[in-house]
Amino acid sequence: GAVVSQHPSWVICKSGTSVKIECRSLDFQATTMFWYRQFPKQSLMLMATSNEGSKATYEQGVEKDKFLINHASLTLSTLTVTSAHPEDSSFYICSASPGQGTSPLHFGNGTRLTVT
Amino acid sequence: QQQVKQSPQSLIVQKGGISIINCAYENTAFDYFPWYQQFPGKGPALLIAIRPDVSEKKEGRFTISFNKSAKQFSLHIMDSQPGDSATYFCAARGNFNKFYFGSGTKLNVKP
Repeated sequence: GAVVSQHPSWVICKSGTSVKIECRSLDFQATTMFWYRQFPKQSLMLMATSNEGSKATYEQGVEKDKFLINHASLTLSTLTVTSAHPEDSSFYICSASPGQGTSPLHFGNGTRLTVT
Repeated sequence: QQQVKQSPQSLIVQKGGISIINCAYENTAFDYFPWYQQFPGKGPALLIAIRPDVSEKKEGRFTISFNKSAKQFSLHIMDSQPGDSATYFCAARGNFNKFYFGSGTKLNVKP
């Protein structure tokens, strides 16, 4: 159980275009989902917390107008990288937890974004 | 300021040996400590997790040792196998279900 699906797994786009990444919790409802960014051989950097039915909470230094997050339902959050530039190229990973207590985070398989 | 410090950065172990990865934290409000395994090009997968009121948890070849007073916890992989070669991340959960990750340890198990 606790499967998180992320789509697409990889995408190549041209500079200046926008890219949408979807994150779905397949077998549980998630009022909160988290978006991470990972650079090669580095740890996961939390970008934002996606809250169902309300605005996302962004970490310090993350541009909310560049990384638009929408959490329209209890099983779907989307991250849109707007006006992408080559420096936005990275591995983006979403995660969700079935609840509090001893529930861990479950991660999607990530999206490799390459901006040319 | 890194909330969770992880060491070593990389580790080479012979097949059948024991792999040990260490993590330390400062925030005593952390209440849950999972370990994740990540293969290249994939998202992290939960390996094993522990609560701070438990000193040790074992699942198969994987054991977490937790020292609450020292604010340290470690992952032990017994009988390490080449298939265990991956990057391992420790993590700690804080307020609002926010998880903080260590910097990762790249494990290479030599056949």
